[in-house]
Amino acid sequence: KQEVTQIPAALSVPEGENLVLNCSFTDSAIYNLQWFRQDPGKGLTSLLLIQSSQREQTSGRLNASLDKSSGRSTLYIAASQPGDSATYLCAVSPMNYGGATNKLIFGTGTLLAVQP
Amino acid sequence: NAGVTQTPKFQVLKTGQSMTLQCAQDMNHNSMYWYRQDPGMGLRLIYYSASEGTTDKGEVPNGYNVSRLNKREFSLRLESAAPSQTSVYFCASTPKTGRNTIYFGEGSWLTVV
Repeated sequence: KQEVTQIPAALSVPEGENLVLNCSFTDSAIYNLQWFRQDPGKGLTSLLLIQSSQREQTSGRLNASLDKSSGRSTLYIAASQPGDSATYLCAVSPMNYGGATNKLIFGTGTLLAVQP
Repeated sequence: NAGVTQTPKFQVLKTGQSMTLQCAQDMNHNSMYWYRQDPGMGLRLIYYSASEGTTDKGEVPNGYNVSRLNKREFSLRLESAAPSQTSVYFCASTPKTGRNTIYFGEGSWLTVV
């Protein structure tokens, strides 16, 4: 059964620091991996989607990498800002979940606090 | 520019009561999903609808039913609520079956006492 793990569960950094969030998954048979941001009391917003054939995706200060063979992904945030404070979740779309629908297995998230 | 809209946002139920969570999307998406989010467990898929007229079970379907009323609307029903169903429920949609960016509603906080 596919399992997704995110470490650390919480992270606090000073403003301006570059940081890396980690995501690992147990089964490399995936269609894609997505990174999400969740603000308190809100829904999830998709940040980056990496297809299984890709190695990385970039959007602004965010860069996500995917190493399918080792079951790992990282989300790199450059020059962090207080507005980046949120919970970051990763999710995989497993091939053995049945069908082509975008059914996701989520990690439990990393709570990021960027201190001014 | 509503996206995915869920109602109600907050609800308190007594054990054994029934209720329906409503979800609507205005993006002409084919596929819709219901997830629940519990502390320390991440989001888990309850039911999904690949297209209008079809529904399928996800990872944790017990105690729930769904209806894909039309292309826009996908409702989740709790027939006899239990304290274990206390959770935050998220509706989501994707443009079509396949591996696309997924769009989430803002969540419905349900407490069963």
